[in-house]
Amino acid sequence: GAGVSQSPRYKVAKRGQDVALRCDPISGHVSLFWYQQALGQGPEFLTYFQNEAQLDKSGLPSDRFFAERPEGSVSTLKIQRTQQEDSAVYLCASSPRGQGSGAFFGQGTRLTVV
Amino acid sequence: AQSVSQHNHHVILSEAASLELGCNYSYGGTVNLFWYVQYPGQHLQLLLKYFSGDPLVKGIKGFEAEFIKSKFSFNLRKPSVQWSDTAEYFCAGDGEAGNMLTFGGGTRLMVKP
Repeated sequence: GAGVSQSPRYKVAKRGQDVALRCDPISGHVSLFWYQQALGQGPEFLTYFQNEAQLDKSGLPSDRFFAERPEGSVSTLKIQRTQQEDSAVYLCASSPRGQGSGAFFGQGTRLTVV
Repeated sequence: AQSVSQHNHHVILSEAASLELGCNYSYGGTVNLFWYVQYPGQHLQLLLKYFSGDPLVKGIKGFEAEFIKSKFSFNLRKPSVQWSDTAEYFCAGDGEAGNMLTFGGGTRLMVKP
């Protein structure tokens, strides 16, 4: 596709449920980033991949959060045993080689935990 | 620790007014700076970026920003805003590694017709 695609756009989960959020980056983009954006705040870094290698996961808030990009293209962010504080918009971004983190963003997945 | 701050949370302007949104950063070493815009219901879009060179950077839609190292600032400007500029604006930075963006809290701009 022409841009970064994320699915689903909206997800409502009951507390304790596991969720999986998908990101299709722009074709050929080496770098992929996940961010979390709470209501009324700027996005906060979660994790970064270069191809299939997860080079930085320092922003993941707990061990309930897990991300993968097994073939270096599509990525999945998984949240286990969701809690209310996990409610946020989860943004995926990708960038080509050499462009650093000035990336192209998807529209995000709005997760609401009830 | 690296940080980016935006002091104006909400700005209301009339059409044709001039715009300046403040952004300050705190980084050790090399810094790359960005401004993103998010129109209602849409994804974040890159307005402009500064890596090095000329500190006055021109972006899309008539926006520009000036990197002032002595003031640790990267303010966004537009000489004459339009109603269609109503959006949320985010300043962001990353370091030499270029592997993560640190965002400011955002500024909501409303332009009254």
